[in-house]
Amino acid sequence: DIQMTQSPSSLSASVGDRVTITCRASQSINSYLNWYQQKPGEAPNLLIYAASSLQSGVPSRFSGSGSGTDFTLTISSLQPEDFATYYCQQSYSTLLTFGGGTKVEIK
Amino acid sequence: QVTLRESGPALVKPTQTLTLTCTFSGFSLTTSGMCVGWIRQSPGKALEWLARIDWDDDKYYSTSLKTRLTISKDTSKNQVVLTMTNMDPVDTATYFCARLLSGRGYYFDYWGQGTLVTVSS
Repeated sequence: DIQMTQSPSSLSASVGDRVTITCRASQSINSYLNWYQQKPGEAPNLLIYAASSLQSGVPSRFSGSGSGTDFTLTISSLQPEDFATYYCQQSYSTLLTFGGGTKVEIK
Repeated sequence: QVTLRESGPALVKPTQTLTLTCTFSGFSLTTSGMCVGWIRQSPGKALEWLARIDWDDDKYYSTSLKTRLTISKDTSKNQVVLTMTNMDPVDTATYFCARLLSGRGYYFDYWGQGTLVTVSS
């Protein structure tokens, strides 16, 4: 199975900060990488698909980049509603896998 | 409007079989490119993909759980059913179903609210 490793596992940031989260695949997955946001007690919400495509309705401060094995989710200016846990997920393989998550907390 | 809703027992005993149903609306699993997946999340832990079923009835399972899982669909009822055998306390989790869309890769664009399943005697 393809392993997905996120870093950091948690971070503290302030409103207005630029935040970057990294996801690394154990083998090349081309651009078949998605990002989700999950708030406590809620289902995950799709932010980015195919590494860099913004899902409809998602604010433009979210962006994704990368291909092959290394990917990045960037929040250009952190807002209060962005404090949450973020997950990457690969779909290169028919056997899907998620990363371990990155929790973004208030500094 | 796409919606999904999970249903099933909130409490199961160890060794029992869990049966969860995902009832959806707003799309059809007979449409090319449509799939439904199951994902779980143990308390305080990360998301874990379990299984998926595709519009053409192809089925895929998590390598670590494939001997215990069965996924099926009833297109006339717009339902997907997941069974997990030999339940253990470590299987205590919130179980989500989600629509898996095929486009540039596969991504979960709509999710159910999740259902908490506790495994305890």
